[in-house]
Amino acid sequence: GQQLNQSPQSMFIQEGEDVSMNCTSSSIFNTWLWYKQDPGEGPVLLIALYKAGELTSNGRLTAQFGITRKDSFLNISASIPSDVGIYFCAGLQGAQKLVFGQGTRLTINP
Amino acid sequence: DVKVTQSSRYLVKRTGEKVFLECVQDMDHENMFWYRQDPGLGLRLIYFSYDVKMKEKGDIPEGYSVSREKKERFSLILESASTNQTSMYLCASSPADRVREKLFFGSGTQLSVL
Repeated sequence: GQQLNQSPQSMFIQEGEDVSMNCTSSSIFNTWLWYKQDPGEGPVLLIALYKAGELTSNGRLTAQFGITRKDSFLNISASIPSDVGIYFCAGLQGAQKLVFGQGTRLTINP
Repeated sequence: DVKVTQSSRYLVKRTGEKVFLECVQDMDHENMFWYRQDPGLGLRLIYFSYDVKMKEKGDIPEGYSVSREKKERFSLILESASTNQTSMYLCASSPADRVREKLFFGSGTQLSVL
């Protein structure tokens, strides 16, 4: 099945640094989603993007829906220890089916 | 709060055993999903169901089956477990046509097949 290409696969940063990650696909999606998975938990939705070019923020998180509709970006500003986890992008196919990226594992050194 | 509950946090089974992973949601959601999560591969859809007794294959259904006899419960069945089915299994649910903003996950079951 189709997968999204998410990069980087892992990041090791210092507390306070900004973080950027992205997701690309060979197919067009009409909705892009970003999830975060805390250790020992299931993924939780952070941001949903519905229109090409859309830029949406949720606190220190900002995500963009690429103009080509084949990519999306997530930025985290001024990282803090609770940002640790795995971040997943996902594209919606049809009305019901999500396709996920491989995930970006974020580790923060205090 | 929406709650998606997976019956076991950790399971250890032997090759060839029949394995049942249970998932229950308490929000009357129509859709339920089973994903498997592997490092470097992300989440891959095994099966999903959009109504009682209805099921659809996802991207990697081989070696799995599902059962949805009641709306709140969605079971994943490994007919004969194999070592390559060692993985984290995540159940999720959503209201009909609301996957994009209302998909809720359980905490996962880490299955080890020896």
